[in-house]
Amino acid sequence: QKEVEQDPGPLSVPEGAIVSLNCTYSNSAFQYFMWYRQYSRKGPELLMYTYSSGNKEDGRFTAQVDKSSKYISLFIRDSQPSDSATYLCALPVNDMRFGAGTRLTVKP
Amino acid sequence: EAGVVQSPRYKIIEKKQPVAFWCNPISGHNTLYWYRQNLGQGPELLIRYENEEAVDDSQLPKDRFSAERLKGVDSTLKIQPAELGDSAVYLCASGGAGNTIYFGEGSWLTVV
Repeated sequence: QKEVEQDPGPLSVPEGAIVSLNCTYSNSAFQYFMWYRQYSRKGPELLMYTYSSGNKEDGRFTAQVDKSSKYISLFIRDSQPSDSATYLCALPVNDMRFGAGTRLTVKP
Repeated sequence: EAGVVQSPRYKIIEKKQPVAFWCNPISGHNTLYWYRQNLGQGPELLIRYENEEAVDDSQLPKDRFSAERLKGVDSTLKIQPAELGDSAVYLCASGGAGNTIYFGEGSWLTVV
């Protein structure tokens, strides 16, 4: 079993839709939870991070963590074509452990 | 503030040839990482440096891969000889205090 599991998609939604991206993890030692966004032919860039269970909001993005079920989510409200990218959940230990990434396309 | 700088961005080589990638981390970041990302997958750690010391190289295929970080700043990752399966994106990242790391734009390697 991989430490971090993420559905690779691809996921295609119309502009304005609410997007839900999810990961599960197996190691209870993970304390921080991060989301990176990776545009085509670019390196991953940090989008959001959270420490505790619950929700953290940043504009149209909400990160949600449920430590009891080892489940993390990223919600995108009012999705835009510019949100089209691969979204990677990431959990730091000594290095960053990544999910496979979900490829999202937002169609105008 | 300048980000993580990597070169070359793209490289096409024939199998059995050598290749080297260079990385300049964010100024002041003591931790430097090399990751490999295969198509459709997340990045996987190859090696992690704390200053000039390689503290985790357990995933580095040492028969053909080598890395160095002289003076605890720039780093070079070398593959010799390259194999077809080495085609991937090689990502350098750096981190300071805290848990976040910052990536360069990657070096795209195609082995033919």
